[in-house]
Amino acid sequence: GAGVSQSPSNKVTEKGKDVELRCDPISGHTALYWYRQRLGQGLEFLIYFQGNSAPDKSGLPSDRFSAERTGESVSTLTIQRTQQEDSAVYLCASSPERGPYGYTFGSGTRLTVV
Amino acid sequence: GENVEQHPSTLSVQEGDSAVIKCTYSDSASNYFPWYKQELGKRPQLIIDIRSNVGEKKDQRIAVTLNKTAKHFSLHITETQPEDSAVYFCAASSYAGNMLTFGGGTRLMVKP
Repeated sequence: GAGVSQSPSNKVTEKGKDVELRCDPISGHTALYWYRQRLGQGLEFLIYFQGNSAPDKSGLPSDRFSAERTGESVSTLTIQRTQQEDSAVYLCASSPERGPYGYTFGSGTRLTVV
Repeated sequence: GENVEQHPSTLSVQEGDSAVIKCTYSDSASNYFPWYKQELGKRPQLIIDIRSNVGEKKDQRIAVTLNKTAKHFSLHITETQPEDSAVYFCAASSYAGNMLTFGGGTRLMVKP
């Protein structure tokens, strides 16, 4: 596609439920990142995928968070047993090269835990 | 790890005036410094970036300056227009780093 696509755009879930967020990167982009943006705040790094290398999970805030990526395509971010503090916009970005250069962000998934 | 501080958190200017946003970083190994603009409800978009082998970079009304000794960099917007109103984020990363560390953002409001 022309850009990074994320789905759903909005998700409301009950506390304690699991949610799955999806990111379709730009075709050919080897690097994929997940960030979290709480209301009125900056972007917090969660996880980074580069090609078929082991992902950098150093930003995941707890073991309730996990992510997968199939090759150089779709990625899913899963949050288990959601808590109210998980409410945020989850942004995915992809890049055509190794490293933090030339990020293209998706429009994000706004997650609300009630 | 890297820590990026951004000031001010909000900035209000009159149309036509200049706006300056400043960021400091902690990791002396950082050598890539992009700036992103995020309009309300939209995705962040890269507007300009600088690498540590240069001290200044300009693109039309936007410029970024870098002082590696002091570990700070700034975004300068001249002749501001209402469409410049948005939240601006600075970020930093090292060559060996895999991700960007973002500042907390500056909400810029340009009054007509």
